[in-house]
Amino acid sequence: GAGVSQSPSNKVTEKGKDVELRCDPISGHTALYWYRQRLGQGLEFLIYFQGNSAPDKSGLPSDRFSAERTGESVSTLTIQRTQQEDSAVYLCASSPGDIWETQYFGPGTRLLVL
Amino acid sequence: AQSVAQPEDQVNVAEGNPLTVKCTYSVSGNPYLFWYVQYPNRGLQFLLKYITGDNLVKGSYGFEAEFNKSQTSFHLKKPSALVSDSALYFCAVRVNTGGFKTIFGAGTRLFVKA
Repeated sequence: GAGVSQSPSNKVTEKGKDVELRCDPISGHTALYWYRQRLGQGLEFLIYFQGNSAPDKSGLPSDRFSAERTGESVSTLTIQRTQQEDSAVYLCASSPGDIWETQYFGPGTRLLVL
Repeated sequence: AQSVAQPEDQVNVAEGNPLTVKCTYSVSGNPYLFWYVQYPNRGLQFLLKYITGDNLVKGSYGFEAEFNKSQTSFHLKKPSALVSDSALYFCAVRVNTGGFKTIFGAGTRLFVKA
């Protein structure tokens, strides 16, 4: 079956512009995560959606970052007034939402802010 | 604070030799532990997990990990390394912070030389 998909695969933008990144999780997966991975570094948790519960936004680095999810389907991560330090790969993962929490990752969106 | 640590940024081994990638954790309650792998230019993939039961967990590609409760460790091992095992490895732990989420270690880069 189809895995997690993300779009665009690459995004180049100018400092100060807004960007929107999209994630389509595996159908039926109730849990969805966003992570950021800077070049050569580990995964930085951003936000977590689980079903209809309030999302865990504890990892969002600033109020320029926001994310939405429509039910248990697509999610969008929005970065407003982008800065050069926002340049990174943004990874989305989904999970069946059971307590075992095996996550299935998308290919990521590589964001470059000039 | 609940956390997961990978003390080595990089591990170098010769092909055919055994490899170990270290992970230690700090959680309240019973830990759910995971290893993920990120091959060059590819997405993150689930490798194996420990939930309960046998302390030695076997996963994909011949990898295994040993849960050691007294040492709060979950080291990843393989008896005979392959050049194709060269990748970035992430240890992760499920934590309860008022809701469940998974946090990742910083990652360990494994280089296997022919």
